[in-house]
Amino acid sequence: TQLLEQSPQFLSIQEGENLTVYCNSSSVFSSLQWYRQEPGEGPVLLVTVVTGGEVKKLKRLTFQFGDARKDSSLHITAAQPGDTGLYLCAGEANAGKSTFGDGTTLTVKP
Amino acid sequence: ETGVTQSPTHLIKTRGQQVTLRCSSQSGHNTVSWYQQALGQGPQFIFQYYREEENGRGNFPPRFSGLQFPNYSSELNVNALELDDSALYLCASSADPTTLYEQYFGPGTRLTVT
Repeated sequence: TQLLEQSPQFLSIQEGENLTVYCNSSSVFSSLQWYRQEPGEGPVLLVTVVTGGEVKKLKRLTFQFGDARKDSSLHITAAQPGDTGLYLCAGEANAGKSTFGDGTTLTVKP
Repeated sequence: ETGVTQSPTHLIKTRGQQVTLRCSSQSGHNTVSWYQQALGQGPQFIFQYYREEENGRGNFPPRFSGLQFPNYSSELNVNALELDDSALYLCASSADPTTLYEQYFGPGTRLTVT
């Protein structure tokens, strides 16, 4: 069973601060996705990373895939209240099938 | 908006009953995956359907079953409901069963079992 551990579980910060959340596993993944989920809604895909060491930027969000393709991080610069939500990482170990972490709940206070 | 729709939005059932949840995939997508998300946890993979055939299954008992129709919409059926089946049920569609590059989720169905 491939497990993904996300940390921290909860994070509460002030608007304008920077933050990093982590996604770690002992398993190797062919790809890894980051999603954001708001209460009562389905996860929304933010990014897919594929290559070890890959870095992708999406406006104020920076995603990094570990060299060994076992871990990933999401860094948000100058967080805004609209960034509030549950951030989920999902690893693809078996083709087309996701293993999700339990997420990091981010609250950005105005 | 992802184009993936699910019905119903909310459902309340009694332990022992059966339930059917429905999912319409995004246009052009032939693969549907179902996930169960318990409160405070990440989604867990139930199974995937590709071109009307089951294409992989997670660690769920046989009372969880599914169908995919020629138009690629899908149903999730759960028999003999248990209290622990209370969760948000998500479907996700994609154009390729072998990759998660573009997997889009619906809004989910909230099932409560009493």
